[in-house]
Amino acid sequence: DAGVTQSPTHLIKTRGQQVTLRCSPKSGHDTVSWYQQALGQGPQFIFQYYEEEERQRGNFPDRFSGHQFPNYSSELNVNALLLGDSALYLCASSLAGTGEETQYFGPGTRLLVL
Amino acid sequence: QKEVEQNSGPLSVPEGAIASLNCTYSDRVSQSFFWYRQYSGKSPELIMSIYSNGDKEDGRFTAQLNKASQYVSLLIRDSQPSDSATYLCAVNMGRGYSTLTFGKGTMLLVSP
Repeated sequence: DAGVTQSPTHLIKTRGQQVTLRCSPKSGHDTVSWYQQALGQGPQFIFQYYEEEERQRGNFPDRFSGHQFPNYSSELNVNALLLGDSALYLCASSLAGTGEETQYFGPGTRLLVL
Repeated sequence: QKEVEQNSGPLSVPEGAIASLNCTYSDRVSQSFFWYRQYSGKSPELIMSIYSNGDKEDGRFTAQLNKASQYVSLLIRDSQPSDSATYLCAVNMGRGYSTLTFGKGTMLLVSP
């Protein structure tokens, strides 16, 4: 059973650049959520995609955007990178409509902005 | 602001002891609660979920939920050095959707 996968594993960018992170959900899941985890903090919810639409968003600026494809995979885009965007970016997948919607996390992408 | 609070630790216990991890949350209508384990440099791994008041046991792990007190805990029996990690409490505060609000995590250190 394929778990959640993310790419790339590590990324180094400079301020002002743009980055795209990718996620494939666990087999059978249709919902993808993205989280940002700064060092020493718990993950913070960025947004969630279901049926190719953003259905919930956390307190993140518009520089953070995303997309979900028909095969349920998802991308997270961050524009105009700031030093403070350096973090572990986590993708979690779940199955909508079950009432529980337990989320399973991928290995994460570690982004360093210089 | 909807919040989840955890003691940052570290919580140090000897091997074989019971480790008790605690979490409080601010949103009274929250319905589902999760404990994740996160090893250093790795992503969170689901340990337990709990939805109803009372205890839920899975092997060496027991989750306890008290919605009236807005309190959820995780007990780890017979703690092992391999249990040394950060334990994240997560609460689903979404309205119809599953969006998790996490605490900052409690670091657990189990000494041999």
